[in-house]
Amino acid sequence: GQQVMQIPQYQHVQEGEDFTTYCNSSTTLSNIQWYKQRPGGHPVFLIQLVKSGEVKKQKRLTFQFGEAKKNSSLHITATQTTDVGTYFCVGSGGSNYKLTFGKGTLLTVNP
Amino acid sequence: EPEVTQTPSHQVTQMGQEVILRCVPISNHLYFYWYRQILGQKVEFLVSFYNNEISEKSEIFDDQFSVERPDGSNFTLKIRSTKLEDSAMYFCASWGLFALGYGYTFGSGTRLTVV
Repeated sequence: GQQVMQIPQYQHVQEGEDFTTYCNSSTTLSNIQWYKQRPGGHPVFLIQLVKSGEVKKQKRLTFQFGEAKKNSSLHITATQTTDVGTYFCVGSGGSNYKLTFGKGTLLTVNP
Repeated sequence: EPEVTQTPSHQVTQMGQEVILRCVPISNHLYFYWYRQILGQKVEFLVSFYNNEISEKSEIFDDQFSVERPDGSNFTLKIRSTKLEDSAMYFCASWGLFALGYGYTFGSGTRLTVV
């Protein structure tokens, strides 16, 4: 079945440093979504990427979808303490019926 | 912004008891889901529901689990005879269009503790 691997599992940064998390799928994806889950909270939708090679920016967050549509990354520039949380990628093989979550990257930010 | 509402926020139950977790998805969404997250672990797919029937379910979703949309608004997950390993956060989600694409709106979850 479809597997989505996400690295790193944990990342601790100083406030102001950059942060990147990577997602790799064993199969070609039709689209990928990114979610953020604050400690004790629920996943919150950030963005969906659909096109091969797509790059989207959301303030300090930059999302990329690979040319082969098998990998994706989320980059945060100049992290802030409000960026703390777990970032999940969610891969779709084309069906809305079952989407596969990566294990997530837990980001902690030292003020 | 529309929300997915889940009740209760926390449920403690004895092993072997039945529990019903309730969700009110966003009204104009068509696809509904249950996911669970054991503490500190990844979010795991349980079941998806479309057009008033199960469209897909995972291996976790065995005969102990069932879902219903009894009245066109509520979406329930029933666990017939709870086991200790069912202790987890259960998230309901519905699928729809955001400004930045399609994705899930998750409820704030029900923390199920089986003792």
